Amino acid sequence: GENVEQHPSTLSVQEGDSAVIKCTYSDSASNYFPWYKQELGKRPQLIIDIRSNVGEKKDQRIAVTLNKTAKHFSLHITETQPEDSAVYFCAASKRGNNDMRFGAGTRLTVKP
Amino acid sequence: DSGVTQTPKHLITATGQRVTLRCSPRSGDLSVYWYQQSLDQGLQFLIQYYNGEERAKGNILERFSAQQFPDLHSELNLSSLELGDSALYFCASSVGGGGPGETQYFGPGTRLLVL
Repeated sequence: GENVEQHPSTLSVQEGDSAVIKCTYSDSASNYFPWYKQELGKRPQLIIDIRSNVGEKKDQRIAVTLNKTAKHFSLHITETQPEDSAVYFCAASKRGNNDMRFGAGTRLTVKP
Repeated sequence: DSGVTQTPKHLITATGQRVTLRCSPRSGDLSVYWYQQSLDQGLQFLIQYYNGEERAKGNILERFSAQQFPDLHSELNLSSLELGDSALYFCASSVGGGGPGETQYFGPGTRLLVL
């Protein structure tokens, strides 16, 4: 089955700096890659996603890049703010929501 | 607020017991998904129901079962509870069958503690 690895497990940046979180997946048939943000004690929320027919997608300060050949995808957050502090999860799936495998999460801390 | 509601918020019970977690999806959403989030296993998909029918199974134990009712709310039943079942249980909902790109909205979760 699909295996998703996520790095780093923790990341600390200064406010205004960029943050990059990377994930690799094992199943070359995976075609949907969402990213979720989970604040402490809260629910996961979808922040951006990308499908395998696209190499990059951007939404304001957040971007995701996908390298299908290498089977890895990354989340880029620019101009980080303290409210970006949370745990971020990547995921990969073939069918959509019901076969999604999640990475172990990255705890991002943005220091003011 | 995602529009997905879950009850109860917290549940404390003993090993061997049985509990029922309840989820109401967003208005109009036909799919309900159940997830388990624990420290050692991370976030894991358990099961999906679509319009009352089981659609997909993930890492759901045989001691666990779920159903979706005609009003589309769903219940997750956990029986013969073990210490390792302590976790945060989320449900999520989406408008259709859950294909790639269909956003799922998570509820606030039920925190289960088995003593």
